[in-house]
Amino acid sequence: EAQVTQNPRYLITVTGKKLTVTCSQNMNHEYMSWYRQDPGLGLRQIYYSMNVEVTDKGDVPEGYKVSRKEKRNFPLILESPSPNQTSLYFCASRKTQGRDEQFFGPGTRLTVL
Amino acid sequence: GNSVTQMEGPVTLSEEAFLTINCTYTATGYPSLFWYVQYPGEGLQLLLKATKADDKGSNKGFEATYRKETTSFHLEKGSVQVSDSAVYFCALIQGGSEKLVFGKGTKLTVNP
Repeated sequence: EAQVTQNPRYLITVTGKKLTVTCSQNMNHEYMSWYRQDPGLGLRQIYYSMNVEVTDKGDVPEGYKVSRKEKRNFPLILESPSPNQTSLYFCASRKTQGRDEQFFGPGTRLTVL
Repeated sequence: GNSVTQMEGPVTLSEEAFLTINCTYTATGYPSLFWYVQYPGEGLQLLLKATKADDKGSNKGFEATYRKETTSFHLEKGSVQVSDSAVYFCALIQGGSEKLVFGKGTKLTVNP
């Protein structure tokens, strides 16, 4: 089954404790992206990657890092989480061609205390 | 820059009512337009899309027509069901760009 998986689905952590949210897709997609979803703000792009070893900032990259060492994986790293990073996070992937469907993971709900 | 504006929610309807969710966009050139749906507790999934002017996207009884003259892509359904309760996002992607631009979402609740 074609899918995007994220782990963990739920995470409660404390300020400053480094964490990684994993994202993996099995569709051989070149393009992958991370979003955060907040009430009243909709979806905002954090980082995206056009292919292996090619990443770039989205609209709200501060406080986040990403890496793309393999085509299927695109982890999101919070080196020193803060309460304002409490949010619902989605990973997504698609073929490079922009008009193609973008597939989303199920989401990771992160709470930073 | 490119942007998408969709009607503020929440929208509450009774089962079998007619649904319209308005979406207008600002973009240069000829973007592709999408509606994504997010069911409770899930990620977004593509509902329908249109890639050029006057195209009509349709799926699961939902329809939207790409209107270049009014820069709109309104979502409609003739008879909603309780199972249609979800958040609906209008989005666009500009040719030559890889970035999908989303509206803020409209929450729909359908009561039996």
